[in-house]
Amino acid sequence: ETGVTQTPRHLVMGMTNKKSLKCEQHLGHNAMYWYKQSAKKPLELMFVYNFKEQTENNSVPSRFSPECPNSSHLFLHLHTLQPEDSALYLCASSQASFQGMNTGELFFGEGSRLTVL
Amino acid sequence: ILNVEQSPQSLHVQEGDSTNFTCSFPSSNFYALHWYRWETAKSPEALFVMTLNGDEKKKGRISATLNTKEGYSYLYIKGSQPEDSATYLCGGAQKLVFGQGTRLTINP
Repeated sequence: ETGVTQTPRHLVMGMTNKKSLKCEQHLGHNAMYWYKQSAKKPLELMFVYNFKEQTENNSVPSRFSPECPNSSHLFLHLHTLQPEDSALYLCASSQASFQGMNTGELFFGEGSRLTVL
Repeated sequence: ILNVEQSPQSLHVQEGDSTNFTCSFPSSNFYALHWYRWETAKSPEALFVMTLNGDEKKKGRISATLNTKEGYSYLYIKGSQPEDSATYLCGGAQKLVFGQGTRLTINP
């Protein structure tokens, strides 16, 4: 138990569906992250939030829309995805990063396995 | 963006043997380096966060060294056990970009 909880753990959706992934942390952290793990590729940073403000968007297509209503919750809204978006989506949290720099360790959730048909 | 590379991509080691693998990164604008262990069906777990050139850190049978001038870090596992089987990730603190990982399998 890392203190970071992701739901759902598995999600199957069609290309025209709208769904959301949820991440919640109870560690008192102020930075939250979305990563994507595709088969045989490195873990890919998508978005970073510090104190609820988005501080990093790693050229992610607009069909992925993050939302951070407070420092404990992070959502990834999914709309008109493509089959190549099928991947494991990992959420993480840490002490706040400064200008993209972070020396505090990340605490990861177990991920949401997404399949787009 | 910090380009992080790890080698080898996969490694099979006999139980009881010691092993090590490498993380390479550009030495300019270094800030910090993270090591994580990622077991199948679990979440990645932090092993070390290293910031200073010459840093050496240890956790049980696992240790790591850091050379920021030449841009590499080594992770060592002494007396490998089956529970050490996992993917080991390293990442740079600049935007926390990760390498592709080293997948370690310990053969009993």
